[in-house]
Amino acid sequence: NAGVTQTPKFQVLKTGQSMTLQCAQDMNHNSMYWYRQDPGMGLRLIYYSASEGTTDKGEVPNGYNVSRLNKREFSLRLESAAPSQTSVYFCASSPNRADMNSPLHFGNGTRLTVT
Amino acid sequence: TQLLEQSPQFLSIQEGENLTVYCNSSSVFSSLQWYRQEPGEGPVLLVTVVTGGEVKKLKRLTFQFGDARKDSSLHITAAQPGDTGLYLCAGAGSQGNLIFGKGTKLSVKP
Repeated sequence: NAGVTQTPKFQVLKTGQSMTLQCAQDMNHNSMYWYRQDPGMGLRLIYYSASEGTTDKGEVPNGYNVSRLNKREFSLRLESAAPSQTSVYFCASSPNRADMNSPLHFGNGTRLTVT
Repeated sequence: TQLLEQSPQFLSIQEGENLTVYCNSSSVFSSLQWYRQEPGEGPVLLVTVVTGGEVKKLKRLTFQFGDARKDSSLHITAAQPGDTGLYLCAGAGSQGNLIFGKGTKLSVKP
């Protein structure tokens, strides 16, 4: 099993360009998440989807949109990229958001640079 | 606002040394998780501690959850270069999502 797969691995954008980060999991998990990781800031939650058909804002949602396409896939879209969105983006999944003892399974990240 | 403070932020040691990293909060958490993240990869769960005072061992790694469930520690015995990575603690926040500490970056030199 691949677990959580993210594409692309690297991306460079110019300010104002748009792009979509893709994420898919093959573990039949109900809940999926998007985090960004910045030096000195740790992992911060952007958006999450507790179950198929639902999405909710996390700690830092401004400038992003998400789509839970189906149970497997959860995409993150930057409509107009800004240099402040330069970061490493991680997608994660878990069996059920309500069970806080169950671990998050992370992808290997997308490294995004906005110039 | 619930926060998890991790210390030290950076730690560089020689192979064979022992070390302890800490995860502290002023808030009570129902459970805490510890993850390790290697360069270029996502975090991977090491352990979940649930009961106050609980001690869990994973080979050379010993995890402890404080009696009041506000803090946790990770002790590594006889560190090896393969232990190098970013160690993150995480706890369930009041909004129902995991809150992560900023991590301890460990470097173990041969």
